[in-house]
Amino acid sequence: DIVMTQSPDSLAVSLGERATINCKSSQSVLYSSNNKNYLAWYQQKPGQPPKLLIYWASTRESGVPDRFSGSGSGTDFTLTISSLQAEDVAVYYCQQYYNTLGTFGPGTKVDIK
Amino acid sequence: EVQLVQSGAEVKKPGESLKISCKGSGYSFTSHWIGWVRQMPGKGLEWMGIIYPGDSDTRYSPSFQGQVTISVDKSISTAYLQWRSLKASDTAMYYCARHRDGAMVLDYWGQGTLVTVSS
Repeated sequence: DIVMTQSPDSLAVSLGERATINCKSSQSVLYSSNNKNYLAWYQQKPGQPPKLLIYWASTRESGVPDRFSGSGSGTDFTLTISSLQAEDVAVYYCQQYYNTLGTFGPGTKVDIK
Repeated sequence: EVQLVQSGAEVKKPGESLKISCKGSGYSFTSHWIGWVRQMPGKGLEWMGIIYPGDSDTRYSPSFQGQVTISVDKSISTAYLQWRSLKASDTAMYYCARHRDGAMVLDYWGQGTLVTVSS
């Protein structure tokens, strides 16, 4: 099984400042035949189901604000919120889908400082 | 509009059986894998298993194999998650979600079904 870890567990950022979340997989999720990283990011606000933000490590889902960006390759990935807004308070999860049954990271809670 | 609508909250006693549902609409139900995800109170997301409604091909995460049964009735565009004998530790929110064609990401989610198991 591919194990996903995230850091930090939580962070508090001032409005308008940058938030950075890291995700690491226990083995590479880069599929060599198509050069795609099988890594997604989800946002879960309190009382709501998760929402897909980014897939293929850096492709933004339709309708997701461009302040959200994903980067990385292989085993190390980053989700960046370039200018934190109040509505971005949530828990963020990375997920590998290299295996048919994907696994999620433990989540990173983002709050306003 | 793609929608996944789950059945309502359940309160059960240990040892009881339960089947919760997830009805899809607004897309070709038989052409997309449906996954079930558990979220225990205050905890993260756990992928339980997936089913392909077109042919009922089902895969389980090792942690949930033998603990639950995932099924589908494609005639009514509905997927199910079933327990034969509930435990208190099954208390959680359960989400169904649709897999995007071509990438096993979960692009549409149900609203969740809260299952509470208590004596």
